[in-house]
Amino acid sequence: DQQVKQNSPSLSVQEGRISILNCDYTNSMFDYFLWYKKYPAEGPTFLISISSIKDKNEDGRFTVFLNKSAKHLSLHIVPSQPGDSAVYFCAASMDSNYQLIWGAGTKLIIKP
Amino acid sequence: DAGVIQSPRHEVTEMGQEVTLRCKPISGHDYLFWYRQTMMRGLELLIYFNNNVPIDDSGMPEDRFSAKMPNASFSTLKIQPSEPRDSAVYFCASSLSRPGRVTDTQYFGPGTRLTVL
Repeated sequence: DQQVKQNSPSLSVQEGRISILNCDYTNSMFDYFLWYKKYPAEGPTFLISISSIKDKNEDGRFTVFLNKSAKHLSLHIVPSQPGDSAVYFCAASMDSNYQLIWGAGTKLIIKP
Repeated sequence: DAGVIQSPRHEVTEMGQEVTLRCKPISGHDYLFWYRQTMMRGLELLIYFNNNVPIDDSGMPEDRFSAKMPNASFSTLKIQPSEPRDSAVYFCASSLSRPGRVTDTQYFGPGTRLTVL
């Protein structure tokens, strides 16, 4: 059973507009969430994270929002740039368990 | 820092052959992870080490898979015998402290693309 779900396999956004990537989770014990970005032929790279004690974390063009009641988090990229085209993975963990539980990824395509 | 180094980048082998994938973590990192990525199952954690000791290998698919970490700067993932369904991209990652916490970002290598014919 997938505990972390990214229901959109792909997303296409115009350059300069906002990209919103979504992630849902089922385990209420998760208390830390991360987003990773992956380019072809490279390993995933850390992008941004959020603790469950917060509902928003911002880093430049990237903002992650956490809605604990809905078990939902989203990554906003504003404005979107061609270099943002990549696969984005959502991951979650809990204090009692070392593991990062990963979503299946969403491929983001930024159109010029 | 050179980052996490994996070799080879690509491996093509025939069914039944032994395959060894190698990883050098970032110096000073005390956690090392082996992942497998496939289209069907996404990114799966196979095994992880803390201070060279295997902590959890529950993700290792079967006995054909084994992993070792003889020292802090080197780890191997071995498949013997290999099968076509083992074809995937295998990633190694390392982190400085316990995964998932504020300072626990995992740093990934470029991966090894394995094709078993």
